[in-house]
Amino acid sequence: KAGVTQTPRYLIKTRGQQVTLSCSPISGHRSVSWYQQTPGQGLQFLFEYFSETQRNKGNFPGRFSGRQFSNSRSEMNVSTLELGDSALYLCASSGTGIYEKLFFGSGTQLSVL
Amino acid sequence: GIQVEQSPPDLILQEGANSTLRCNFSDSVNNLQWFHQNPWGQLINLFYIPSGTKQNGRLSATTVATERYSLLYISSSQTTDSGVYFCAVDQTGANNLFFGTGTRLTVIP
Repeated sequence: KAGVTQTPRYLIKTRGQQVTLSCSPISGHRSVSWYQQTPGQGLQFLFEYFSETQRNKGNFPGRFSGRQFSNSRSEMNVSTLELGDSALYLCASSGTGIYEKLFFGSGTQLSVL
Repeated sequence: GIQVEQSPPDLILQEGANSTLRCNFSDSVNNLQWFHQNPWGQLINLFYIPSGTKQNGRLSATTVATERYSLLYISSSQTTDSGVYFCAVDQTGANNLFFGTGTRLTVIP
């Protein structure tokens, strides 16, 4: 069974731009959740999608958004990038939600210049 | 939100040694997971352990939810155990997942 796939692996953007990251979950998993990891703030939960609906949300501004497609693939979008958005963005999938065993992708390293 | 503290923050071990990592949380939780992040950034789920004790090879974990802590035991450590260990909890009623501060483990040959 293929694991969780995140693309791209690395991304460089400039302030003010927007970016879209992609996550393909393990086949059969319906829950996809997103996380931001920075040296200063550590690992933080962004949001979770289940059956194309956002079900849970962390404490991030509205510039961070996402969506999920009918095949459970998910995208995360960050608009009006700030320097502080530089981070490793991880997605995880599971069968039914963030309250069960999570399987993580390798992440997208975003650098904002 | 809930506070999740891990100790020690850093740990250096000789290969073959045993270690205990601790995760303390400040409020009631429904579930707790332990993860290992390897030097390349990949997070691997080690245990899903809301309560009780589980073992997987050289690793075992114990969660005492009533006392708000969990322990991860690593026996006969190997260099491949190096990386950062995180615990994550979901606070009752919060609809959120909170990660601990992490323990960075370095195993030297």
